[in-house]
Amino acid sequence: AQKVTQAQTEISVVEKEDVTLDCVYETRDTTYYLFWYKQPPSGELVFLIRRNSFDEQNEISGRYSWNFQKSTSSFNFTITASQVVDSAVYFCALSEARNDKIIFGKGTRLHILP
Amino acid sequence: GAVVSQHPSWVICKSGTSVKIECRSLDFQATTMFWYRQFPKQSLMLMATSNEGSKATYEQGVEKDKFLINHASLTLSTLTVTSAHPEDSSFYICSARDFTGGYTFGSGTRLTVV
Repeated sequence: AQKVTQAQTEISVVEKEDVTLDCVYETRDTTYYLFWYKQPPSGELVFLIRRNSFDEQNEISGRYSWNFQKSTSSFNFTITASQVVDSAVYFCALSEARNDKIIFGKGTRLHILP
Repeated sequence: GAVVSQHPSWVICKSGTSVKIECRSLDFQATTMFWYRQFPKQSLMLMATSNEGSKATYEQGVEKDKFLINHASLTLSTLTVTSAHPEDSSFYICSARDFTGGYTFGSGTRLTVV
């Protein structure tokens, strides 16, 4: 069965600090997809990244970067030089190619303090 | 990009009444849509997978007779909460697999049952 664990329930950092959000996943499939979403207070989900299981290259997009390591089943997300606008709940998610449904972790609530 | 329109964005209803939530893919055809429920400060829990032209597949623990799902066309899926009670108050959000292979989410519906 597919499972996503985000051990950090809540994190608070001061603006401009770097912060890493952890994500560990479980799956029996060899083909799967990993995602990160941001959920601001409005509730809408903002897509950040999708990574397939065959692409272990790290990704950087502006201040955001992702580290995918199949050996540890982790897909961690780092925000560099955090800003107050980064405050939100961040969800890591997993979908398996065989069943198409996307399962979410419990989320990490990130507070960026001015 | 792909857009999923979800209506209404919020609704207040009396206990015992039914509420219908619509999820429409605007610029792509969605043979499969997913319905999630999110209680305050919790994760998104998959309720059911909606398949065009066939019965929905419900997750374990989700009452089929209470949460009626209809996916009558390739662009529209509806979730009807029947005989709603205060404990059904939640944030409901739909998603569809889009033409990029990713998932596009609606903006969500905040249901309050009084």
